[in-house]
Formats: sequence, C-alpha cells, structure tokens
Amino acid sequence: GAGVSQSPRYKVAKRGQDVALRCDPISGHVSLFWYQQALGQGPEFLTYFQNEAQLDKSGLPSDRFFAERPEGSVSTLKIQRTQQEDSAVYLCASSWWTGEGNQPQHFGDGTRLSIL
Amino acid sequence: KQEVTQIPAALSVPEGENLVLNCSFTDSAIYNLQWFRQDPGKGLTSLLLIQSSQREQTSGRLNASLDKSSGRSTLYIAASQPGDSATYLCAVSRYGNKLVFGAGTILRVKS
Repeated sequence: GAGVSQSPRYKVAKRGQDVALRCDPISGHVSLFWYQQALGQGPEFLTYFQNEAQLDKSGLPSDRFFAERPEGSVSTLKIQRTQQEDSAVYLCASSWWTGEGNQPQHFGDGTRLSIL
Repeated sequence: KQEVTQIPAALSVPEGENLVLNCSFTDSAIYNLQWFRQDPGKGLTSLLLIQSSQREQTSGRLNASLDKSSGRSTLYIAASQPGDSATYLCAVSRYGNKLVFGAGTILRVKS
C-alpha cells in the first residue's frame, strides 16, 4: 500500500490479557517508530527501529511492553498483562533515513486499545 | 528534558480569517521541527518540516517559521476554510529521529 498500515484499528481486551499490535510501514522505509497517544494529548515516543535493530526503547513504560521488527519491515508491539492505563491510541510511523534525519515521519491511523 | 507547549489549546474562527498557531520548546538544541494535522480518529499528516538551519517553510496557504534561539515556531494559516478544522500538532526532534510533541491546538473554522 501507499501508506503506513496498522492493524487492528480497534482492540478491546480484558485487564490481564496480552495484546499484539501490527505495523506495516511504507515500503523501503528504514526507520520505524511507535508512539502512544492518550486522549487529548500529543503522541509520546515509545521505541525506534532502524531496519531490524531497535536503537532506542527509552519510551517503553514498563517491561510489559515489547516491540520487534525481525526482518526490518513489519513491526509488532506487544503488551503483556494489560492494565487499564494502557488504554490509548498506538501510532506507528516510518521514514526514509538519509543519515541526516531530515525526512518527515509518515503516520498510520493507529490502533485504539481499550482495556476493560 | 525537552518540553513542547502549544498555545492556544483551542481556537474557533470564522471562515476566511488568517490565523496563527504558536509552539514553544524548552531545549533549543533541535535538529528539526514538524507541524502535523490530525483529524478525529486518524493518524497524523505531516504539513511542514523545518530544518534547524532554516527560518521558514511554505506550502500553499500554510507558512511555518522557526526561531531556534528563542525556542519558538509559528504556523500561519491564510484564508482559513472549514476543511482546515482539525488538531494541529507541533513536534521537535533532537537527533533527527524520535519526535517530542506538544498537546496540540484544536482548530474549528466556522462557515
């Protein structure tokens, strides 16, 4: 596809369940980012991949959050033992990487996660 | 820690009016600044990206300026239209990768 694709669009889970969110970046984009957006707030950085390497995971809020991008393309964000405070929209973004960081990030429509 | 503030939080204007959205950031050591638009239930659409060495960027009715030393950016929208109604987000990047966002300005343009 032409843009960043995320699935599912909506996910409802009971507290304590594990969830997996998928991101399919724009073809050829080296960099991939995950952000968390609470209601009425701007997105907050979670983690960053360059190809398959996870270069920055400083934004992951706890060890219940895990992200991977094993083949340098599709990425999965996994949340274990979900808590109500995990309810948010999870956004994925991708960009070219030129070594100069001057490329815009392109965002998917996000996955809205609701924990009951 | 970088903090980004956007003022006003919400703005309602009649169609045709020119308007300015403000963004400020606490750490001037940025690599670039981006303005995004977010429609309800949607992701972010990149509007303009300004490198730290640039002063402004223009796209159609949009003009963004950057004063890096004072930690400020403005987004100017000329001749606003109802279709411009959305949330506008400002974000800065230090090393050209992860973005730090403001909370956004909710814009409503009335017809």
